[in-house]
Amino acid sequence: GESVGLHLPTLSVQEGDNSIINCAYSNSASDYFIWYKQESGKGPQFIIDIRSNMDKRQGQRVTVLLNKTVKHLSLQIAATQPGDSAVYFCAERVRGYNKLIFGAGTRLAVHP
Amino acid sequence: DAGVIQSPRHEVTEMGQEVTLRCKPISGHNSLFWYRQTMMRGLELLIYFNNNVPIDDSGMPEDRFSAKMPNASFSTLKIQPSEPRDSAVYFCASSFRPPLILAGGPDPKPTYGEQFFGPGTRLTVL
Repeated sequence: GESVGLHLPTLSVQEGDNSIINCAYSNSASDYFIWYKQESGKGPQFIIDIRSNMDKRQGQRVTVLLNKTVKHLSLQIAATQPGDSAVYFCAERVRGYNKLIFGAGTRLAVHP
Repeated sequence: DAGVIQSPRHEVTEMGQEVTLRCKPISGHNSLFWYRQTMMRGLELLIYFNNNVPIDDSGMPEDRFSAKMPNASFSTLKIQPSEPRDSAVYFCASSFRPPLILAGGPDPKPTYGEQFFGPGTRLTVL
């Protein structure tokens, strides 16, 4: 088996609190960003995306913020629920390319 | 829509054996991606196709790995011969790369070719 692995940062929150997951991206030429959620035993699932000409985009309980000056992306989850427990990945796409570059991920643990 | 379909879901094989992973992308999608996920390296892109043509295979680890897309509805990732270090979860994803669409409205609908992932194939090489 694998003896050493990625130690994912973990964010622990209480049910009902707001969660903020952060991501630093690498390429100033990236023009599109996505947040994915991956539950245990499943493939990554789209949550929300944002293009580089925007700095904020909102969904039902999720908000993505983009700060191009410092190459920072965040995902805010309002009223976090136990079903939100998962690993969250940010991904960036460099302008002109069709492939995504994924971050290492953050584990969100929601406690009752 | 059934989403991206991968088979098998689990594969256990012995070192040296050939392994073939299969993927059926979402109907109408024109891009297909193969990823590998391990605890050591996270999620890595191996290769991707646009309109059945391999565009970037720079992530393929070595010559033991090969991928084909004979038509728009089917792709394979083959490892021959397999080694224990190939043990991982292999994901296939597909997307449709549309013209630029401006985001708007309250729902977070994808605006620029979101990738939809399959459930993955967990490969164990003994």
